Amino acid sequence: DAMVIQNPRYQVTQFGKPVTLSCSQTLNHNVMYWYQQKSSQAPKLLFHYYDKDFNNEADTPDNFQSRRPNTSFCFLDIRSPGLGDAAMYLCATSEPGHLLYGYTFGSGTRLTVV
Amino acid sequence: KNQVEQSPQSLIILEGKNCTLQCNYTVSPFSNLRWYKQDTGRGPVSLTIMTFSENTKSNGRYTATLDADTKQSSLHITASQLSDSASYICVVSSRNSGNTPLVFGKGTRLSVIA
Repeated sequence: DAMVIQNPRYQVTQFGKPVTLSCSQTLNHNVMYWYQQKSSQAPKLLFHYYDKDFNNEADTPDNFQSRRPNTSFCFLDIRSPGLGDAAMYLCATSEPGHLLYGYTFGSGTRLTVV
Repeated sequence: KNQVEQSPQSLIILEGKNCTLQCNYTVSPFSNLRWYKQDTGRGPVSLTIMTFSENTKSNGRYTATLDADTKQSSLHITASQLSDSASYICVVSSRNSGNTPLVFGKGTRLSVIA
């Protein structure tokens, strides 16, 4: 089945130690998103790629970076994780011009910072 | 400001009972409204997508309604099951959004108890 896959499901990292979360998709969607979701809060968009074009939200900390080497993969790099970065990170995809197609989310990566 | 408000914040019901969740939005211009189910520790899963011209859409025991004039939507769950325990998130996208972000509600946390 076409889907969005996030790895790992759970990630524990040390304070200040760089960590990378990965997302892959078999939907061949042009747009990929990274959201941060803290407990009992709505997901917050960090950035998205429209094909190779990177779009950063204004309030996304510089500590967060992203790479998209090809259509299928997108990575979230946290350069120096702080305790406040512990959250669920959600990857999603969509295809512009097909607004009836729901955004498809991955199962998320739960990040713990110790 | 584009906003999505959901009520109630949380809800506890007995297994087998029906319930209705509410969503009010101020997103403009409106394109579509989506309801997602998010199990604890997982990514959101799409339940329904409704455009401006649709008033009602069903997906099994889930029925969503949309009143574009009053900018309100509801999600009705019939004959609830223990597996319905989750957060239900209302998400609205603007006609201009294309590849830009959706506006998320904070969700309603539903607990179905035996």
